[in-house]
Parts: sequence; structure tokens; C-alpha cells
Amino acid sequence: KAGVTQTPRYLIKTRGQQVTLSCSPISGHRSVSWYQQTPGQGLQFLFEYFSETQRNKGNFPGRFSGRQFSNSRSEMNVSTLELGDSALYLCASRRGSRTYEQYFGPGTRLTVT
Amino acid sequence: AQTVTQSQPEMSVQEAETVTLSCTYDTSESDYYLFWYKQPPSRQMILVIRQEAYKQQNATENRFSVNFQKAAKSFSLKISDSQLGDAAMYFCAYRSGQETSGSRLTFGEGTQLTVNP
Repeated sequence: KAGVTQTPRYLIKTRGQQVTLSCSPISGHRSVSWYQQTPGQGLQFLFEYFSETQRNKGNFPGRFSGRQFSNSRSEMNVSTLELGDSALYLCASRRGSRTYEQYFGPGTRLTVT
Repeated sequence: AQTVTQSQPEMSVQEAETVTLSCTYDTSESDYYLFWYKQPPSRQMILVIRQEAYKQQNATENRFSVNFQKAAKSFSLKISDSQLGDAAMYFCAYRSGQETSGSRLTFGEGTQLTVNP
């Protein structure tokens, strides 16, 4: 069974631009969560989607948004990029609301210049 | 809000020896889960071991075991017979048992483990 995939793996953007990252969960998994990893702030939860609905949201500005499609694939969008948005963005999937094991993707490395 | 603290930024161990990574957490909840994740240089987060708070027995997965002290809010990871492939950043993580929290994980700062041949 294929694992969690994230595209693109690397991305370079300029301040003020917007970016969309994609995450395809493991087949059969309905929940997708997003995390931001930076050297200064560590790993921080962004949001979770389950069956196309946002279930939970971390403490990030409104520039960070996401959505989930009917096939459980999820996208994360960051508008008006700032230098501080440079980070590794990880997504994780799990099967259902009662399962606690999450499987992480390889991440997307975003660099904002 | 829950917090997770890993007080050892770096640890090293000789191959075949045993090492223990520390983790403490703060919560007012009684129902929660604790995890150790491993992040090698590839950056892929890998689940090492999990512990349900309601279980008194410490979890074990092959060479990995935990010492879960609920009253002390301590959750340490012991790696026995360390191997070169164990070298990675290790993260302790907390997940609430409340349904409304979903899959939200709160991570510690991480401990970089070096395994010396």
C-alpha cells in the first residue's frame, strides 16, 4: 500500500506570492492533518480535515488555509508569503476518527526569498 | 493547553549500548495518548511507539520501550542494543483523548540522537 505522498517536495517562492501544497493520504484514510516544522518554533499543528470538513485548527493566521476533496486528498494554501513561512510542511493521514496512529508524508520544503 | 518538554537537545550512545530519552508533559486531562516519533535525515516522521494513558503497562516494540509515569507526567524512551540506523531526531508527542481534538499532536522540541560505532 502506498504511503502518504506530498507534492511538490521542494518549492521556492518570493515574498508576497501565494503557494499551494498537496497531500495524498494512504488509501482508505479519511483524515489529513498538516504541520509546520521550523528550527525556531518546532513542529506546530496547522489544521485537520476529515471527510472534507475542517475539524481542528491551530494558532496560525488566516493566510493559512486548506481544504479536502471527496477522494480525501488535501491541499494547503498560504497567501501573501512571508520570510517566516519558510519551513518543512508535513501532512499526516489516519484512517478514521477513532484511530490514533498517524502516518506522515515526506514533507514539502518551502523556501521564501 | 498541553505542553511537552524534552530537556535533552542532544544525546549520544555507543552502538549496542542502551540510551534513554526523557520527556515530560503537562495536562489536566485524564484521557490522552503519548507517542515517540523518529525523524531521520530524510525528514520522514516515523512512529516508534505509543502509549495509552489508561494503560498502566509500559509499551514495548522490539528494542524500544517506554517508562510511563502518569503521576509524574513523565514518558521516557529506552532504546536497547542501539544501532547506527537509530540515529535521528526523536520527538515526544501528546494527543488528547477528547474527540473534539481530533488528531492534533503537540510535539516536544526534539532530541538529536547520535549513535557512535
